[in-house]
Amino acid sequence: GQQLNQSPQSMFIQEGEDVSMNCTSSSIFNTWLWYKQDPGEGPVLLIALYKAGELTSNGRLTAQFGITRKDSFLNISASIPSDVGIYFCAGQGNAGGTSYGKLTFGQGTILTVHP
Amino acid sequence: DTAVSQTPKYLVTQMGNDKSIKCEQNLGHDTMYWYKQDSKKFLKIMFSYNNKELIINETVPNRFSPKSPDKAHLNLHINSLELGDSAVYFCASGQGVGYEQYFGPGTRLTVT
Repeated sequence: GQQLNQSPQSMFIQEGEDVSMNCTSSSIFNTWLWYKQDPGEGPVLLIALYKAGELTSNGRLTAQFGITRKDSFLNISASIPSDVGIYFCAGQGNAGGTSYGKLTFGQGTILTVHP
Repeated sequence: DTAVSQTPKYLVTQMGNDKSIKCEQNLGHDTMYWYKQDSKKFLKIMFSYNNKELIINETVPNRFSPKSPDKAHLNLHINSLELGDSAVYFCASGQGVGYEQYFGPGTRLTVT
């Protein structure tokens, strides 16, 4: 089945630093999504990417859909303490039309921001 | 108004019991999903319903039975609960292939 490798698994940074994380896949996805999960909460959608090569920003967050459609990255600029959480990439593919929108998730990146 | 809501938030029960988790979305989406998050935070699809019709069943034991009374609701019933069923279960909704999905707050199930 489809697998996503997300890296790094964890990051410890100082407030104000920039952060970068990425996901790579063994197969093509048609949509890439980035989520953030806070403790005890559900994943919250940060950015959605729909076209290969697309670069999208949401405030201090920027994400790109790789040209090969097998990868995506998320950058966070000027991190702040509330950026702490787990960040997930998720890919959505057609898989011959049988997947009907199911998301395949990366393993998550745990972000810790030191004030 | 909460877009995707789940009840209960926490569920503690004993092995062998039967329990249900309810999910409702007010986004007008056609497709709803159940995901399971294990202790290592890995999220995996379980089921998907589109307009009350089962679309995806990802090799989930048949002790798990989703039911969708209408396209705004997708409930998850679990029979004969086992220790390994302990996890956080998330409901999500979306417009289907090619669209983003929105997640509920999760239900933490603990089987003792």
